[in-house]
Amino acid sequence: QVQLQQWGAGLLKPSETLSLTCAVYGGSFSDHLWTWVRQSPGTGLEWIGEINYTGNTNYNPSLKSRVTISVDTSKNQFSLKMNSVTAADTAVYYCARGRQLNSWGQGTLVTVSS
Amino acid sequence: DVVMTQSPLSLPVTLGQPASISCRSSQSLVFSDGITYLNWFQQRPGQSPRRLIYKVSNRDSGVPDRFSGSGSGTDFTLKISRVEAEDIGVYYCMQGTHWPPITFGQGTRLEI
Repeated sequence: QVQLQQWGAGLLKPSETLSLTCAVYGGSFSDHLWTWVRQSPGTGLEWIGEINYTGNTNYNPSLKSRVTISVDTSKNQFSLKMNSVTAADTAVYYCARGRQLNSWGQGTLVTVSS
Repeated sequence: DVVMTQSPLSLPVTLGQPASISCRSSQSLVFSDGITYLNWFQQRPGQSPRRLIYKVSNRDSGVPDRFSGSGSGTDFTLKISRVEAEDIGVYYCMQGTHWPPITFGQGTRLEI
């Protein structure tokens, strides 16, 4: 049974960089893609991007210029960085397994406010 | 981007009665491998989304058989044969055929 546990800073000021990490417990890390999704009241569920164990990534074109997803296979972890955040990036951020999102982390509320 | 449109957005239900949610995509969700990557998720209050159905009609492990998915091409349906109290929450469809990006419906709130 796979478990995804995520963490990161929950309060940011405009223009700062969002940084979140997701650790994967159980299952095979190298067999899957690993995904970030966010959820805000205004925009619903939004796919941010995905990565595989070799570091190959796909990003949402609407966020691509500000987002970097990376992987640390030695720790079975993957991370999200988003620069130049604004209030519009306030959301609950989730990590998930696979392109079809069959398991999810617990979510991290990130608030951007001056 | 593929637009996913759910209806209704709010669905009042009666416990023990059936419920049905529709999801339509702006283009066919049949992938080049012949598989349709249309999934359904349930989000209970205060919880993360949980996948219920994958590839149109396949129930995930532990999902009660009162949940069923159907459809093809651009029209899809999630049905609950008899609503129970634990089913209250928001339901989302998601397409994983045309990416990037993967896209979601707006959500349907199931409420008593």
